[in-house]
Amino acid sequence: GENVEQHPSTLSVQEGDSAVIKCTYSDSASNYFPWYKQELGKRPQLIIDIRSNVGEKKDQRIAVTLNKTAKHFSLHITETQPEDSAVYFCAATLTGANNLFFGTGTRLTVIP
Amino acid sequence: NAGVTQTPKFRILKIGQSMTLQCTQDMNHNYMYWYRQDPGMGLKLIYYSVGAGITDKGEVPNGYNVSRSTTEDFPLRLELAAPSQTSVYFCASSLYNEQFFGPGTRLTVL
Repeated sequence: GENVEQHPSTLSVQEGDSAVIKCTYSDSASNYFPWYKQELGKRPQLIIDIRSNVGEKKDQRIAVTLNKTAKHFSLHITETQPEDSAVYFCAATLTGANNLFFGTGTRLTVIP
Repeated sequence: NAGVTQTPKFRILKIGQSMTLQCTQDMNHNYMYWYRQDPGMGLKLIYYSVGAGITDKGEVPNGYNVSRSTTEDFPLRLELAAPSQTSVYFCASSLYNEQFFGPGTRLTVL
């Protein structure tokens, strides 16, 4: 099955700086890569996703890039704010498949 | 819409006890999932269902059972609770790829 690795496990940045979280996947057939944000004690919520026919996708301050050849994808958050502090999970799957394979998460702390 | 709801929010079980975690969604999603999240870890899929009457195992099904008699409900059953089942359990549903999660059930087995 798919194996997703995520780095770093923790990340601290100053407010206003950028944050980058990286994931690698093992199954070259995977073609859907979502990112979930989980605030403390809350449920995971989708923040952005990308499909393998696209190399980059942006939504305001967040962006995701995908390198299919290297089998890795990254989450970029610019102009970080304290409310960006959370655990972020990447995931990978094949479109139409029934399960997401999650990375182990990155705890992002934005220091005011 | 309430989305995905789960009960109970918290539960403490003794070793060997059984219980059912309830999950209901009102979005008419065909797909439903049960995950467990251990401290500092990602989510691991326990069971999933592609529609009423159809269920299948995920990555970590041992010690659990599910049923799907209606589109809305997807209960998870623990028959003989073990300390290794201490975790936070999330139910989720989806129409296509985006999964919507419930608020979670924090289970402790002592």
